[in-house]
Amino acid sequence: GAVVSQHPSWVICKSGTSVKIECRSLDFQATTMFWYRQFPKQSLMLMATSNEGSKATYEQGVEKDKFLINHASLTLSTLTVTSAHPEDSSFYICSARYGSNYNEQFFGPGTRLTVL
Amino acid sequence: QQQVKQSPQSLIVQKGGISIINCAYENTAFDYFPWYQQFPGKGPALLIAIRPDVSEKKEGRFTISFNKSAKQFSLHIMDSQPGDSATYFCAATSGSRLTFGEGTQLTVNP
Repeated sequence: GAVVSQHPSWVICKSGTSVKIECRSLDFQATTMFWYRQFPKQSLMLMATSNEGSKATYEQGVEKDKFLINHASLTLSTLTVTSAHPEDSSFYICSARYGSNYNEQFFGPGTRLTVL
Repeated sequence: QQQVKQSPQSLIVQKGGISIINCAYENTAFDYFPWYQQFPGKGPALLIAIRPDVSEKKEGRFTISFNKSAKQFSLHIMDSQPGDSATYFCAATSGSRLTFGEGTQLTVNP
């Protein structure tokens, strides 16, 4: 149980285009999902918290108009990187909160975004 | 302050040895301390976790030691294997917010 998937696993796009990344909880319902960004050889940095049916909460310094988050159902959250630029190239990882353990998060496999 | 400090940055251990990674925190509101293992190009996977009312937790070869008064906790990997070579992150949560340490790249030589 507690499996989280992401799609796509990797994507290459041209500068100025938009890219959508999906995060799904496969065998459980997730009222809360989280989006992280990880640069090479660095730690995970929380970008935003996504709550089903409501607006996402963004961390300080994360542009909400650039990183659009939609959590339309209990099993799906999407992150859209709008007007992507090379500096947005990173590893994007989602997680979902699972079960009665309020603190526990299970992570997806990540999406490697490369912006040319 | 929402920070978790982790050391060492990298660690090389011989097969069969003990790997020890340390973390320290300041925020006394943290109430859950997980450790994650991450392989290159993959998402982090929960390894083991502990709550501050427990001083030690062991699962197989992995043990967390927790010192609440010192606000420190550590991961011990017994009988380290080459397959354990990965990046390890300690973390701490307050509510639903998860704060990660900087990570330790572990290499276990055969």
